[in-house]
Amino acid sequence: KNQVEQSPQSLIILEGKNCTLQCNYTVSPFSNLRWYKQDTGRGPVSLTIMTFSENTKSNGRYTATLDADTKQSSLHITASQLSDSASYICVVSGGSQGSGNTGKLIFGQGTTLQVKP
Amino acid sequence: KAGVTQTPRYLIKTRGQQVTLSCSPISGHRSVSWYQQTPGQGLQFLFEYFSETQRNKGNFPGRFSGRQFSNSRSEMNVSTLELGDSALYLCASSLVRSPYEQYFGPGTRLTVT
Repeated sequence: KNQVEQSPQSLIILEGKNCTLQCNYTVSPFSNLRWYKQDTGRGPVSLTIMTFSENTKSNGRYTATLDADTKQSSLHITASQLSDSASYICVVSGGSQGSGNTGKLIFGQGTTLQVKP
Repeated sequence: KAGVTQTPRYLIKTRGQQVTLSCSPISGHRSVSWYQQTPGQGLQFLFEYFSETQRNKGNFPGRFSGRQFSNSRSEMNVSTLELGDSALYLCASSLVRSPYEQYFGPGTRLTVT
């Protein structure tokens, strides 16, 4: 069964600290893996998207890693800020991709991050 | 460029009614996908449209349907509403190229009473 599992479910850290969120998946075939940030009451915003051949991608203070062999990904947040408080969602794209086809997207349940001053 | 827009932003309906939600993608984007988000189930894929054709479908009952117009705007319809249909409905658009970066709209919050 195609699944995406994220851990921890929730996390509280102090402002300025680093943290790492985990994502394990069993999606096959694998096309790409995305991390999204979703603020409360708003739509998700893409942070990174990685294909099979990429193992690290950064977007400012966000760095995502991908190990396609172990089917694991992590999202590392450096020097956290209050504005990082949000839900972080790991999404894996599986299945075939053709013109106009994003493939089947399987979503993790998300990690809720709270950054405290 | 304007982002993805969804209307209405909030909606309250009663059981048994039907509802239509609208999504306008980013200019030039031809693929539109719909998602349902609930606290218990998280984000779940409903369907994807490209060139007015449904290309992918999630595991939702036939009460959930959609369509896409020639200008890429899309509508989603839910008939015979149930209490469990209360959710945030998100629309995302993308260009037709790998790896299909998706841009989400703000969502429509549907409450069924």
